[in-house]
Amino acid sequence: QSALTQPASVSGSPGQSITISCTGTSSDIGDNNYVSWYQQHPGKVPKLMIYDVSNRPSGVSNRFSGSKSGNTASLTISGLQAEDEADYYCSSYSSSRGVLFGGGTKLTVL
Amino acid sequence: EVQLVESGGGLVQPGGSLRLSCAVSGFTVSSNYMSWVRQAPGKGLDWVSVIYSGGGTLHADSVKGRFTISRDNSKNTLYLQMNSLRPEDTAVYYCAKRYSNSPVSMDVWGKGTTVTVSS
Repeated sequence: QSALTQPASVSGSPGQSITISCTGTSSDIGDNNYVSWYQQHPGKVPKLMIYDVSNRPSGVSNRFSGSKSGNTASLTISGLQAEDEADYYCSSYSSSRGVLFGGGTKLTVL
Repeated sequence: EVQLVESGGGLVQPGGSLRLSCAVSGFTVSSNYMSWVRQAPGKGLDWVSVIYSGGGTLHADSVKGRFTISRDNSKNTLYLQMNSLRPEDTAVYYCAKRYSNSPVSMDVWGKGTTVTVSS
């Protein structure tokens, strides 16, 4: 069982927006602003999409955005494209446990 | 170019040991946080260990007392010593570099090395 809870799957049509939630506790997500999101295509290495809750590394499309409220972080992808179909993982920092990952969410673009 | 190349994976019996290596190029391993993250077949990402730039380390509860992360600054290489291996340790093991000053963000990943624990 993963430390952070994500929905197993989400789906959307091209052009639509989707949001993936990531729920933790007051000891991790709720305790700091160190939430990251990764995209992983099948057979590929994870790619950093969002860091520190809402920041995008250079080269990541502005269609990807992150936010946080309390113990729950969210990743929103707007203007869905076929190439967005992938697994998405959230992660958070816990001062006592190190780095925590969510179980992953499979995004299907219909 | 920043690059991470893992090696050392293989098939090992339960209770056995392996040492994984991660050769770093393009930056100095001692100047950055470096982590090991694993992914069991068909499963999600699972953080294993981190070594901080100051040399301190932290391990996940699932590997504490069995795995040890270390680095050799002269070889610019990261290591993961894995002892008392269990079948549930079977996974692809990635080394990863911290992004900027964020403690949990990893922007450069190796391609991984596969560890299989089975009799």
